[in-house]
Amino acid sequence: DGGITQSPKYLFRKEGQNVTLSCEQNLNHDAMYWYRQDPGQGLRLIYYSQIVNDFQKGDIAEGYSVSREKKESFPLTVTSAQKNPTAFYLCASRPGPRETQYFGPGTRLLVL
Amino acid sequence: GENVEQHPSTLSVQEGDSAVIKCTYSDSASNYFPWYKQELGKRPQLIIDIRSNVGEKKDQRIAVTLNKTAKHFSLHITETQPEDSAVYFCAARRGDSSYKLIFGSGTRLLVRP
Repeated sequence: DGGITQSPKYLFRKEGQNVTLSCEQNLNHDAMYWYRQDPGQGLRLIYYSQIVNDFQKGDIAEGYSVSREKKESFPLTVTSAQKNPTAFYLCASRPGPRETQYFGPGTRLLVL
Repeated sequence: GENVEQHPSTLSVQEGDSAVIKCTYSDSASNYFPWYKQELGKRPQLIIDIRSNVGEKKDQRIAVTLNKTAKHFSLHITETQPEDSAVYFCAARRGDSSYKLIFGSGTRLLVRP
């Protein structure tokens, strides 16, 4: 877990603004993931990436975008099309096919 | 589609008692089942996992059992302590080639001192 970092810890978004959440890992993990967690709720998959320059939509991809230009980085952009972005965003990574996912510390996004 | 149901949604036990959380999965091809513990405001952390080739796994006070025929698996915590209070999530994965974990909705466990 210590090798997965997310920044910032808290992020405030104004109406109509795009914001980007950072996720970095120095564990040499191939797969990376983004989840959204609403208060008192479970984890919903936004996007995931199996390898560099490749990513797939999860269950709630609308209003979000990602890139995977480097193995260690998987930034998530919350666009103005996401009308209710207030949530706790968790990034995760996985070492290999038989392994589990390990989570970063999360970013809490709030709308002003 | 793939689905994991988790029960109960909340569970309150007296310190020292046992706690059991149950999950049922829909995809019979699922073969990997991790459990995560999430403390308030923190990241989910893996506490135990089991693969479909075993029926039970223990790690000190926690254990997981798997019934492939019934497609359900359970987390057992014995001798509960206040620090066990957290939200617990089960998950299932369809084979080693799948990159997706399907999560349950979570169980909020409260251990009363």
